[in-house]
Amino acid sequence: AQSVTQLGSHVSVSEGALVLLRCNYSSSVPPYLFWYVQYPNQGLQLLLKYTTGATLVKGINGFEAEFKKSETSFHLTKPSAHMSDAAEYFCASNNAGGTSYGKLTFGQGTILTVHP
Amino acid sequence: NAGVTQTPKFQVLKTGQSMTLQCAQDMNHEYMSWYRQDPGMGLRLIHYSVGAGITDQGEVPNGYNVSRSTTEDFPLRLLSAAPSQTSVYFCASSYAPRLLDNEQFFGPGTRLTVL
Repeated sequence: AQSVTQLGSHVSVSEGALVLLRCNYSSSVPPYLFWYVQYPNQGLQLLLKYTTGATLVKGINGFEAEFKKSETSFHLTKPSAHMSDAAEYFCASNNAGGTSYGKLTFGQGTILTVHP
Repeated sequence: NAGVTQTPKFQVLKTGQSMTLQCAQDMNHEYMSWYRQDPGMGLRLIHYSVGAGITDQGEVPNGYNVSRSTTEDFPLRLLSAAPSQTSVYFCASSYAPRLLDNEQFFGPGTRLTVL
């Protein structure tokens, strides 16, 4: 069974600082990986996704993530945090080629706080 | 194009009451799903549907029923509410042929409290 672990339930950064949100996955086959963002009192929005090909994936709002198979990781980064980045971020996976099409497995979520 | 809509936004129930959470999408998506979100646990899949007339259980289906009579609608029924079902419920949809990259579109959520 696949699982997703996000290290750190809360991350706090200063405006302009680097954002690093950690995600590790456990899967018997290479998964498809996603980062979603949830702003307060809203649904989830897709930030970026990795399926195949280039391991460095760029998403919306200046975020990017790198798939590292050797480390089973898919960490989310942004060079310079903005106040508007404050939200909860979820890493999710879906096993490619399995019978679990469409059935995302989510991590526990990381709440990002940005200080002025 | 309204996307995925959910009603109600908030609901308070007493233990043992029943209710239906409504979900609709206007994107002609074949795949629809229901998740519940609890603090520190991320989102967990309750039920999903790959098309009208086809539904299946997810990770936490107990206490919930679903049906899919049309492509657009996917209601979630709580037959006898329990305090453990206090949660935020999200409906999501996806265009089935693209399930491999599975970009799911989420509704705004229903915040349910069971007393």
